[in-house]
Amino acid sequence: SYELTQPPSVSVSPGQTARITCSGDALPKQYAYWYQQKPGQAPVLVIYKDSERPSGIPERFSGSSSGTTVTLTISGVQAEDEADYYCQSADSSGTYKVFGGGTKLTVL
Amino acid sequence: QVQLQESGPGLVKPSQTLSLTCTVSGGSISSGSYYWSWIRQPAGKGLEWIGRIYTSGSTNYNPSLKSRVTISVDTSKNQFSLKLSSVTAADTAVYYCARVRDGYNYNYMDVWGKGTTVTVSS
Repeated sequence: SYELTQPPSVSVSPGQTARITCSGDALPKQYAYWYQQKPGQAPVLVIYKDSERPSGIPERFSGSSSGTTVTLTISGVQAEDEADYYCQSADSSGTYKVFGGGTKLTVL
Repeated sequence: QVQLQESGPGLVKPSQTLSLTCTVSGGSISSGSYYWSWIRQPAGKGLEWIGRIYTSGSTNYNPSLKSRVTISVDTSKNQFSLKLSSVTAADTAVYYCARVRDGYNYNYMDVWGKGTTVTVSS
């Protein structure tokens, strides 16, 4: 079955830049999406179509893609950004959706 | 704006069938350019896509769950539902329903329910 691979954890100090990667063989063909999930809450979409930002999401959130890896970048990290982040995409057919294992972002 | 609300038993016995319903409010489930999904998350673990349904009734399921999953839609009630048969403790999780924006070559979950916890235990 298709898998997306994320680092389990990333730590940054406030004001620094956090980068969270997600790797998968079908990413050159399928868009990636990023969701933020805080404890006890449902996930919230923060990036769609690799690099588009939904309305209401701060500009410090951005996304990029290069080959089989996509990256979520949070510039000028704030304490409120501490959360779990999940990438999501699809297999090469586009039919079956898959989530990465999630990355816990800790703001030191 | 559109809101989703999961409902159903919070406790299911092993080997029985888990049944959940997602009620869509603030908009029609039949609105164009969307379909509907179920996702689950065991405590302390990651998200797992269960499957999706279009309002036409067409479905796709996670291959790892396909033999046990049925997703259905009732447009007259603005609801869609999940049934998972032969449950075990491994099916204990928070279950989310979500609206999926369906575009050409892209789709993403733009509205989520708050989630409902289902525990499988005798």
